[in-house]
Amino acid sequence: GIQVEQSPPDLILQEGANSTLRCNFSDSVNNLQWFHQNPWGQLINLFYIPSGTKQNGRLSATTVATERYSLLYISSSQTTDSGVYFCAVEGDYKLSFGAGTTVTVRA
Amino acid sequence: DGGITQSPKYLFRKEGQNVTLSCEQNLNHDAMYWYRQDPGQGLRLIYYSQIVNDFQKGDIAEGYSVSREKKESFPLTVTSAQKNPTAFYLCASSMQVNQPQHFGDGTRLSIL
Repeated sequence: GIQVEQSPPDLILQEGANSTLRCNFSDSVNNLQWFHQNPWGQLINLFYIPSGTKQNGRLSATTVATERYSLLYISSSQTTDSGVYFCAVEGDYKLSFGAGTTVTVRA
Repeated sequence: DGGITQSPKYLFRKEGQNVTLSCEQNLNHDAMYWYRQDPGQGLRLIYYSQIVNDFQKGDIAEGYSVSREKKESFPLTVTSAQKNPTAFYLCASSMQVNQPQHFGDGTRLSIL
């Protein structure tokens, strides 16, 4: 199956700071999604981005499919941004998840 | 409201007992999925279904069974053959495979 590596594994931010999360994958993919898992376990869709760049408020994402990586940008971080961010890729009818980046935003 | 409903939120299983987790969606999606999440890890695929009356094993199907008799429902049974069932179980659906997946709120299963 497709291997997905996320970095860094942990990130501690001061409120207002910007950050970049990275996702590397081992093969060509049909689908790439970024999710945010909140402390209650809910998995929230952030982006569906198999290629290109998208923005949604303070979050944006870029996927360079030819180089097999995606980046998630968080700007002006808030305490509500805390949680685990997962990258997941779909190559053959199933999503393969990375291990996630745990983000802690301190007030 | 359209969405994916999982029930119950918490479930306890006795040794040797089968339990069934419910997943219902009213999004009119063809594809449905079951994932397992262990603490500090990403999600792993148990089973998926591309269409009614069809389903396929994922990466960790042993000890689990599913059915897809209706488009909106995809129940997961954790059998007594699953020796380490304690985990967080998440159901998802998508319009078709290779389309964005949307998740329910999950069921936490524990062993008594």
